[in-house]
Order: sequence, then structure tokens, then C-alpha cells
Amino acid sequence: EAGVAQSPRYKIIEKRQSVAFWCNPISGHATLYWYQQILGQGPKLLIQFQNNGVVDDSQLPKDRFSAERLKGVDSTLKIQPAKLEDSAVYLCASSRDSGGTDTQYFGPGTRLTVL
Amino acid sequence: DQQVKQNSPSLSVQEGRISILNCDYTNSMFDYFLWYKKYPAEGPTFLISISSIKDKNEDGRFTVFLNKSAKHLSLHIVPSQPGDSAVYFCAASAGTGNQFYFGTGTSLTVIP
Repeated sequence: EAGVAQSPRYKIIEKRQSVAFWCNPISGHATLYWYQQILGQGPKLLIQFQNNGVVDDSQLPKDRFSAERLKGVDSTLKIQPAKLEDSAVYLCASSRDSGGTDTQYFGPGTRLTVL
Repeated sequence: DQQVKQNSPSLSVQEGRISILNCDYTNSMFDYFLWYKKYPAEGPTFLISISSIKDKNEDGRFTVFLNKSAKHLSLHIVPSQPGDSAVYFCAASAGTGNQFYFGTGTSLTVIP
């Protein structure tokens, strides 16, 4: 079974630029998550999708972050414009069902550096 | 507000000995807990879970203990092996449909 795929693996941008990350979850997994992991901290949930609907985006900074999962499979996370404090690893995860007691499988992450 | 805490950023253990990683939580609604292991440049990998109806769950060399009254869980690795060297995260949720909250991680080094 293929794991969660993410691209790019690394990205360096200037502040105020925009950036987009892509995630392909494990086939058949209904739920997809985007996490932000700042250096020295644990992953923090940004947004959770169930199929193509948003379940929880309470911690997503909506003035600059957006995410979509149009066909209930792949997802993109966008930051526009980026700030220095957005430097972090962005992790995508998927689970078979709606989470909470369901194991999440993580991708390798995208390391973003904002200069 | 950090609802899940791992107060030891790092731990070093001799190969063959027991590794004990600790995790504390503040939210009494949490009833499902996971441990993840993370190697550099990789995403976290699920290791073991426990629900609040149990106080212990074992999987090979890995055992998780839950003390609900103390809001504390621990991961025991016996015997520790050099390949266990990684960052370990604990995570907690309030059950189905709720998000997981992660601790800050403990970096384990197993010395050959």
C-alpha cells in the first residue's frame, strides 16, 4: 500500500510571496489532515477534511492560509502572503475514517523556509 | 495552551536497557492516546495506542501505560535498541470525530 505523498519536500521563499503544497493521501482514506510543525514543537492541526468537506479549520489562519480537497482525494494547502513565522514543516496525514480514534498516517512533510 | 506535554526534550539510554518516555495531559475529556515515532526527514509513524478503558497496552517491545487519575501516560521500550533512536510524540484526543493534540516530543538516543 502506497503511503501519503507530499510535494515539494523543501521550499524556500521570500516573505510576502505565495506558496502551495500538494498532498495525495492513502487510497481509500476518507479523512485528510494538514498539520504545521514549528521547530521544537509538536504538530498542530490546521485543517481536517472528511472526503471533500471541511470538518475542522478552527486553527487555520484564514487571512493567509487556504486549503482545498476538490474531489475528495488530493489536497493543496496555500499560503499567501507568507510571513517569517510560517517557517515550519507542513505535514499531511490521512486516516480511513473520521479521526479521533483512527490511526493517522503521515507523509514526509514539506519543509518551508521563509526569508 | 499546551494540552499535551512532554517535559523531557531528550533521553539517552544504553542498548538493552529500558527506555521510559513520559507524557502528561490536562484535558480530562481525552480518552484516546497514541504514540508516534519520527526519524529525521520523515513523517511521524504510528507506534502504539491506548484507550481510556484500559490502563496498559502491549505490542512487542513497546508498552504504554495510562494513569487517568494522574492524567499521565508513559511508553516503555524494553529492551532498547539503537534503531529506536528517534523523536517520540504522544498525542491525545477526546474520541471519535475529535482532533488529536500532540506533545512537543522527546528525542531518544539509544547508545550501543
